[in-house]
Formats: sequence, structure tokens, C-alpha cells
Amino acid sequence: EAQVTQNPRYLITVTGKKLTVTCSQNMNHEYMSWYRQDPGLGLRQIYYSMNVEVTDKGDVPEGYKVSRKEKRNFPLILESPSPNQTSLYFCASSLLDSSLYEQYFGPGTRLTVT
Amino acid sequence: AQSVTQLDSQVPVFEEAPVELRCNYSSSVSVYLFWYVQYPNQGLQLLLKYLSGSTLVKGINGFEAEFNKSQTSFHLRKPSVHISDTAEYFCAVSEWGGADGLTFGKGTHLIIQP
Repeated sequence: EAQVTQNPRYLITVTGKKLTVTCSQNMNHEYMSWYRQDPGLGLRQIYYSMNVEVTDKGDVPEGYKVSRKEKRNFPLILESPSPNQTSLYFCASSLLDSSLYEQYFGPGTRLTVT
Repeated sequence: AQSVTQLDSQVPVFEEAPVELRCNYSSSVSVYLFWYVQYPNQGLQLLLKYLSGSTLVKGINGFEAEFNKSQTSFHLRKPSVHISDTAEYFCAVSEWGGADGLTFGKGTHLIIQP
């Protein structure tokens, strides 16, 4: 089954404790992206990647890191989480086809930073 | 760069009544347009998309949308809603030849009243 998986689905952590949210897709998509969803703000892009070893900042990259060492994986790293990073996070992937970004979304990771 | 405005943050409607969710976009070039749906506690799912050709696009679950280039709009409609349509709906745009990926609106919460 074609899908985007994220782990963990729920995470409660404390300020400053490094964490990684994993994202994996099995559709051989070149493009992968991370979003955060906050009430009243919709989805805001954190980072995206056009292919292996190619990453770029989205609209709200501060406090986050990513890497793309393999085509299928795109982990999101919070080196020193803070309470304002409490949010619902989505990973998405798509083909790079004439700029058609029809994205497939993971189920989401709900992060709480206390 | 593109932008998307969803004019209503919340739309209450009675069951079996028609509904329209409004979406306007801004771009200096031609665009692809999407509507995504997010059911409670789930990820985003593609509802429908406009790529080219007919301006009336049909999607899943009886939804349709009409692309209006002169008004830069892509409103979503359904002639008769059901309780199961209660969800958050997101309009999104990507530019032809662009590298910025998808830009999302802030979402419209559709509330179906019995």
C-alpha cells in the first residue's frame, strides 16, 4: 500500500530534550516536506527536499533541522525543543512532475513540549 | 510567490443543505489548484484537483469545484451535505514551473448541524 508513515504519532517531551520525528514514504517520491498545523494558522511549511541531499527552508524553519540521506526518509529534528513548538506535524511527499505538487500526507505527529 | 485566502474560517450548515467553501488565490503565473480534507484526528486527503482543461472539477464524496481564472477563485461545492462531511477543508495552490511547492490556505471548518 502506498503510504507516508510518521513516528511517533504522539510525543510529550520537556524543553531542551532533543527529539527526532521520522518520516518514510514507499512511493519513490522525489519531493518531501514537513508542515506544522496550528489552530487558525493552517499548514505552514517548515522544510522541504527536492531529492536526496537537497533540502531547503520553508516558511517557519527556525528551531528545526532536517536531513535527506535516502530518498524514502526525511526525518525532522528538534535539537532543543521549546513550548512554542507544541503543534501537530505532518510529513508529505510527491513526485516532481512539472511542478505538480500533489502531495500525500502522513497521519501526523502531535508534539507537546512542556 | 503564490498565496491562498479562504474567506471563511468556519461554515455551519444543516444536513442535506448545499454548501460552498470559498477560496481565492494570488499568483503571477498559471497555477494548479487543490482541495484537501482533514477529518477529525486524521491526516490530509486529496479531495480534488484542477490541472487544466474543464474548469469544473469533480472529486470524491460528491464534492466539486469550479476554477474561475478571471476571479482567481476555486470554490468548493456540494449540493447536499451529510454529517460525515464534518471536517477541515484546505485549499492549496502550486505554480506552473515553480519550486515553492504547495501553499495552503488557513482552512475552513465545515460544521454539519442535524
